[in-house]
Amino acid sequence: EVQLLESGGGLVQPGGSLRLSCAASGFPFSNYAMSWVRQAPGKGLEWVSSLSGSGANTYYADSVKGRFTISRDTSKNTLYLQMNSLKAEDTAVYYCAKDRTGLVRFFDLWGRGTLVTVSS
Amino acid sequence: DIVMTQSPDSLAVSLGERATINCKSSQSVLYSSNNKNYLAWYQQKPGQPPKLLISWASTRESGVPDRFSGSGSGTDFTLTISSLQAEDVAVYYCQQYYTTPLTFGGGTKVEIK
Repeated sequence: EVQLLESGGGLVQPGGSLRLSCAASGFPFSNYAMSWVRQAPGKGLEWVSSLSGSGANTYYADSVKGRFTISRDTSKNTLYLQMNSLKAEDTAVYYCAKDRTGLVRFFDLWGRGTLVTVSS
Repeated sequence: DIVMTQSPDSLAVSLGERATINCKSSQSVLYSSNNKNYLAWYQQKPGQPPKLLISWASTRESGVPDRFSGSGSGTDFTLTISSLQAEDVAVYYCQQYYTTPLTFGGGTKVEIK
C-alpha cells in the first residue's frame, strides 16, 4: 500500500528540539521529491521544507531557515525534519508529502500528520 | 514570494448547485517555455490531510469526480464544483509551484446551504 506515516511529534518547551520522521512505503522513495507542510490549529497550510528526488537540493521557508533541517535515509525509506530552537509559532500538525516527480512541485500523497506543540 | 489570495473565505451552496472558488496569484504562474500554469488545488475534509484534486491548473487527478474542474491562466484561477454533493463539504486550497517558497491560498470553506 502506498502510504506515508509520520511520527516524532509531541510537547516541547520553547528553545527545544524535536526530530520528525516520515516512513514511506509502496513507492520508490528515492525517485521523488519529499516535503513537510504544516498547519497551525484552525489555520491554513504552510509549506515548510522540501528535498529534491536526487537528494541534492533542499529548500526552506524563511520562517524555519537556519533552525530546521530536512534529510532522508533512502535505505530506510524515511524522511526527517530536525527542528531546533523551536518557537510557540511552530505549533502545528506537520504533514509529510510526496511530490509527483523528483522536482519540488505539488503533492499527490500526504501522511496523516503529527502534532508538534511548543509550550512551557 | 508569490502571494495566493482565495475568495470567498467561505460559501454555502445548495445541494446540486454550482460552487465557484477563486484564486489569484500576485504574479503570473504561467511558465512561458511550456505554456503550463504551475497551480494545484487541494481538498481538505475535517480531521483529514489534504487531497490533491487538480494540477497544472486544470488536470484532474485520477479518481476525482468530473464535477470538479479547474480553469484560468496567468494570475487568475477558478475551481468549480458543478453540482455540489454532501461529501464535498471541505476546505479547498490553491497552491503555486512556479517557484519556492511554495505558497498556498488561505483556503475556502464550502458548506451546504
